[in-house]
Amino acid sequence: DGGITQSPKYLFRKEGQNVTLSCEQNLNHDAMYWYRQDPGQGLRLIYYSQIVNDFQKGDIAEGYSVSREKKESFPLTVTSAQKNPTAFYLCATLLGNEQYFGPGTRLTVT
Amino acid sequence: QKEVEQDPGPLSVPEGAIVSLNCTYSNSAFQYFMWYRQYSRKGPELLMYTYSSGNKEDGRFTAQVDKSSKYISLFIRDSQPSDSATYLCAMSVDYKLSFGAGTTVTVRA
Repeated sequence: DGGITQSPKYLFRKEGQNVTLSCEQNLNHDAMYWYRQDPGQGLRLIYYSQIVNDFQKGDIAEGYSVSREKKESFPLTVTSAQKNPTAFYLCATLLGNEQYFGPGTRLTVT
Repeated sequence: QKEVEQDPGPLSVPEGAIVSLNCTYSNSAFQYFMWYRQYSRKGPELLMYTYSSGNKEDGRFTAQVDKSSKYISLFIRDSQPSDSATYLCAMSVDYKLSFGAGTTVTVRA
């Protein structure tokens, strides 16, 4: 069953803690992306990776970090430096110019 | 000014009505134009994709692109309650997508 999985669906953390969001894909797509979605603001690009061991900052990379050690996996770490981490995080792949999204992780930091 | 502007609505229509959604953009380099549908607390799913000016139809959905005016539209004919969702426009150049804020649509039975 091909697709993008993100886990967990809901995540709760205390302020000051780093947290890592998982994203796995079995679509064999090269490019992977992380977006943040806040009410009324659409999707904003955090990081993207076009190939293994390479990634680029998006529009709002401050306070986030990523790695791309395997084609299938693109985890996102939300660090304590991110001032407003509570949001809905979406992982995506790209094939040609078509973007495919995972189900998302809702992160709440209190 | 945002690269992509989209009226967030909300938009409420009776079942069977035509839904009309629009986005404007400022970056003339955008080459590909997409519409996504997102149900509450889910990831967006691709509805329509086009790269040229003009109309593209897929069932009840029509995507329209006017590159000269930097304006794209999505029309939903014979709308159903199951069409109630947030619709996001997106445009891309060089493998980076820019999204509108999304328009929330409710189709009343």
